[in-house]
Parts: sequence; structure tokens; C-alpha cells
Amino acid sequence: SAVISQKPSRDICQRGTSLTIQCQVDSQVTMMFWYRQQPGQSLTLIATANQGSEATYESGFVIDKFPISRPNLTFSTLTVSNMSPEDSSIYLCSVGGDLGNTIYFGEGSWLTVV
Amino acid sequence: GENVEQHPSTLSVQEGDSAVIKCTYSDSASNYFPWYKQELGKRPQLIIDIRSNVGEKKDQRIAVTLNKTAKHFSLHITETQPEDSAVYFCAASVNDMRFGAGTRLTVKP
Repeated sequence: SAVISQKPSRDICQRGTSLTIQCQVDSQVTMMFWYRQQPGQSLTLIATANQGSEATYESGFVIDKFPISRPNLTFSTLTVSNMSPEDSSIYLCSVGGDLGNTIYFGEGSWLTVV
Repeated sequence: GENVEQHPSTLSVQEGDSAVIKCTYSDSASNYFPWYKQELGKRPQLIIDIRSNVGEKKDQRIAVTLNKTAKHFSLHITETQPEDSAVYFCAASVNDMRFGAGTRLTVKP
């Protein structure tokens, strides 16, 4: 399986600020996804990060709040903008598709908004 | 879009007993069904998966069954051990992955 590195692993953020999470994969992958896991909840797909084009967002998630970049086949960023306490979650980068539908997750970024 | 339902939400078993978690899905086009285990403070880890052309798959103490007609699939863990305690998620996929709500399994020594 691919090695997926996420940064930061954990952060405490002030309300109203923005934070960018980075995801680096050790091999080229076609499909990269960003998930959110709120405390005690399941994983919710935020968007599919498309290389060279705009991300595809799921219902309830918008680009202004969660801008995503995908400059190449090994790297993506997710920004959580204008954060509020409700954004306190684990944000997980994942890759799949090239690995035969199997999705593997990065270590996750634990964000707490105060 | 795909909707995945998972039951039960919590499950407590005695060490050595079996545990069964069940999921249903809505999109008949879904063709891939993985199961993930998430321990506290860690990322979800793939433990077993099954594709739509297979009815059952086994890996040591864990097995997954799939009924395409009924659109449901199940995870079976035999001879449970305390280290099996975790949250388990089922998922269904066509082009992207949708997850069930999760089952918190507790194995009592």
C-alpha cells in the first residue's frame, strides 16, 4: 500500500483563522480524497481532489470553506477556512483507485478550534 | 448517492465469542465492500474487503459475506480477543467510498 503522510498531525486553532493540511503520497495516484471525521462519528467525504482541475465537492461542502489543491499526482492540500468550533474534527487524506478501489488513509490531522 | 447503514452501533462480547456486524447499501452499482478497524486515536485500517463477484472471503479469524440480491454484507469475527476492541466501519464503493456509521466492539476478558 502507498505511504501517505499528513501535516500537521495535530493543531489547536483560533476561531476565525484558516489552516492548510498537506497530504504527500510516496507514489503517483489518480484518486485522492479528503474525509472529515467529527468526534465519535463516521467518515464523511468532503471532496475528491482532481489533479489539474477543480475538486469535486460533496453535498454540504463548498469550495469557499474547504479549498483544495492538487498540483500533481502525489500531493494535495485541504484548507479549512474561517474556522469555528464545529470544524473541530479529524481530517483524513486518502488514496485509492490506482490501488484497485482499496482506499488507504493518512494518519489524519486532529484539529481543535477554540 | 450511496447510503450505507450499519448495525449494531455498539456490541459487547465475551472473549472467545463471535461477533457479527451487518451493513446494507442502497446503490446496486456498488462493487467493492471494505471493512476498516479504527483504534482510539488512530486512522482507520483496512482489515478485509470483498468484491461484488465474490460471496464470501475469509482471513484467519475474520470473514466477510456479501449478498448482492439483498444488498447486504456482514463482518464475522470468531474467537474474539481483547485487542479486537475498536470501532469497525463498513463501506461501499462505486467510484468513491461511503461509510457506515460504525460499530464500537468491546471484547471483555
